[in-house]
Amino acid sequence: GQQLNQSPQSMFIQEGEDVSMNCTSSSIFNTWLWYKQDPGEGPVLLIALYKAGELTSNGRLTAQFGITRKDSFLNISASIPSDVGIYFCAGRPLVGTASKLTFGTGTRLQVTL
Amino acid sequence: DTGVSQDPRHKITKRGQNVTFRCDPISEHNRLYWYRQTLGQGPEFLTYFQNEAQLEKSRLLSDRFSAERPKGSFSTLEIQRTEQGDSAMYLCASSLYRSIEETQYFGPGTRLLVL
Repeated sequence: GQQLNQSPQSMFIQEGEDVSMNCTSSSIFNTWLWYKQDPGEGPVLLIALYKAGELTSNGRLTAQFGITRKDSFLNISASIPSDVGIYFCAGRPLVGTASKLTFGTGTRLQVTL
Repeated sequence: DTGVSQDPRHKITKRGQNVTFRCDPISEHNRLYWYRQTLGQGPEFLTYFQNEAQLEKSRLLSDRFSAERPKGSFSTLEIQRTEQGDSAMYLCASSLYRSIEETQYFGPGTRLLVL
């Protein structure tokens, strides 16, 4: 099935550094969501975006809904060890009443002390 | 905890056997989704319900797969005659659909291994 292009695929950073990752699509979306998944667990919602250009924060996390509706960005400031995990973007299409989410391929984040 | 729950968390079965998974959504959520996630990939949509009606099924959902939500509350996903390729994490999500601002919350998943 279709998956969104997410980059980078993986990151190794030091504690305290800022992190940026992005997600792009060939289709237009009306919703962008960012989830974090720990090994063996389900995805946990971090941030939801509903309007083009919207910038939303959740603690040290900030995400933006791209103005073209085809991309989204997630930034994590001052990373800490518990930020380790896989981050997924997910989008919901603009057309019709379709509610299913299309997920990105994931960004694996590892934080070193 | 009133989040989405799934049972069992892990299932090991032999090829050819039938398996059934259960999902209990967040109370009062009217939509329930099933996704499948294989190693190193993001979740992929399988099917979803609004109340008891199954509104969409993915082409990934072969004839061996069937899902139900009989009373609009919990849901079951059954896989008949399992194959090794069915090994994956099966995720359930629920949402309260009232407007365009619909957010899906996921359960912990059921990890299936077919030997």
